[in-house]
Amino acid sequence: DAMVIQNPRYQVTQFGKPVTLSCSQTLNHNVMYWYQQKSSQAPKLLFHYYDKDFNNEADTPDNFQSRRPNTSFCFLDIRSPGLGDAAMYLCATSRLPGTGGSYEQYFGPGTRLTVT
Amino acid sequence: AQKITQTQPGMFVQEKEAVTLDCTYDTSDPSYGLFWYKQPSSGEMIFLIYQGSYDQQNATEGRYSLNFQKARKSANLVISASQLGDSAMYFCAMRTRDSSYKLIFGSGTRLLVRP
Repeated sequence: DAMVIQNPRYQVTQFGKPVTLSCSQTLNHNVMYWYQQKSSQAPKLLFHYYDKDFNNEADTPDNFQSRRPNTSFCFLDIRSPGLGDAAMYLCATSRLPGTGGSYEQYFGPGTRLTVT
Repeated sequence: AQKITQTQPGMFVQEKEAVTLDCTYDTSDPSYGLFWYKQPSSGEMIFLIYQGSYDQQNATEGRYSLNFQKARKSANLVISASQLGDSAMYFCAMRTRDSSYKLIFGSGTRLLVRP
């Protein structure tokens, strides 16, 4: 089945120690998104790619970076995690807007990040 | 301003009964889409149903239907014949051309289905 995969599902890192979360998709979607979701809150968009075009949200801290080496893979790098970065990180994909249809986003299972 | 409002932080429903989760939206863009997502305790966001602003009929997907009232700017989710597995957080979301097709989420409603 076509899907969005995130690894690892659970990640524990130390305060200030860089960490990378990965996302892959078999849907062949042009657009990939990274969200941060804290407990009992709605997901907050960090950034997204239209193909290789990177789009950062204005309030995304510089501590968060992303890479998309090809259509299938996208990475979220947290350069110096703080305690406030502990959250669920969700990756999502969608077709390119303007190509017709609803462009619903398909989400992966998420990576739950703990910072000690 | 573009906004999604979900006024029910939590709801209970008896198994096998129907339940309506409220969602109101605000946008000046005539072209928009409305979505409902389910998020179980495992964390994955599951797409349930979509309604386009120009769609004449209310969307339905199995036990899910969307009660779209454009003049009132509401897009309530109706779940028929509730099951225990329906217990989850439910998010209403909107995308518009103005938002560059990014999703704008409501604050969510936590649904608990009682046996």
